[in-house]
Amino acid sequence: DAKTTQPTSMDCAEGRAANLPCNHSTISGNEYVYWYRQIHSQGPQYIIHGLKNNETNEMASLIITEDRKSSTLILPHATLRDTAVYYCIVRVVGSSGGSNYKLTFGKGTLLTVNP
Amino acid sequence: SAVISQKPSRDICQRGTSLTIQCQVDSQVTMMFWYRQQPGQSLTLIATANQGSEATYESGFVIDKFPISRPNLTFSTLTVSNMSPEDSSIYLCSVETVGYGYTFGSGTRLTVV
Repeated sequence: DAKTTQPTSMDCAEGRAANLPCNHSTISGNEYVYWYRQIHSQGPQYIIHGLKNNETNEMASLIITEDRKSSTLILPHATLRDTAVYYCIVRVVGSSGGSNYKLTFGKGTLLTVNP
Repeated sequence: SAVISQKPSRDICQRGTSLTIQCQVDSQVTMMFWYRQQPGQSLTLIATANQGSEATYESGFVIDKFPISRPNLTFSTLTVSNMSPEDSSIYLCSVETVGYGYTFGSGTRLTVV
C-alpha cells in the first residue's frame, strides 16, 4: 500500500472546521483513501473513504486532489468529542487475501479541539 | 456496520502465563484481523484469520507466541502465550464491512506484571 504523510498534531477551536491534510504521492490508481480516528482508549472508528471524487457523509467530508496525491478530511463543526488521533490510510478495495488487504496504520494526526 | 464484542476488556496477568482474547461478530465475515497497539504507538497487524484455514502472520509475529483460532464465521480467539511485560498492549480485532471499511472492537488492554 502507498505510504501516507500526516502532520503529527493540529489544534482547532470548537465550532470551527477542522481540516486535516494527508499526502499520498505514491498512490496507485486502484487504491482508495480511508480515514479513521481513534479516541483515547477506544478502537479505531471508520470515518469516510473515497477514490477520486469528493465524498461527504454525516461525520465528515473528504476532498481528494485531482492528481490524487493528497487529500483533506474536513470536520465541518468540530466539537470537543472530536479530539482524537486521525489516520489516513490508502489501500486497494475488494482484494481480500494476498498482501493488499491489510490496513497499514501510520502515526496519524492528533487533533485537539479546544473550547 | 458489524458489531464486535471483544472479551476481556482488560486484564492484568503474571509473566509466563497465557491469555486468550475472544472476538465475537454479529454477522458472518470471511476474514478477521488481530492488531496490537503498544503504549503510545499506532496499530500493528498481527495476523489475519480465515475460517477453516491457518492464520496468516505478519513479519515479526509467530504462531507459537500468538496462536489464533477461527472455528466459525463469527468468532475468533487470539492467545498471547508465555507473556512478558513487553506484551503489555491493547489487542484489537477487526473485520471488513462492506461500505464501511473495517470495523474494530473496543480492544483488550493487557498489562503483564
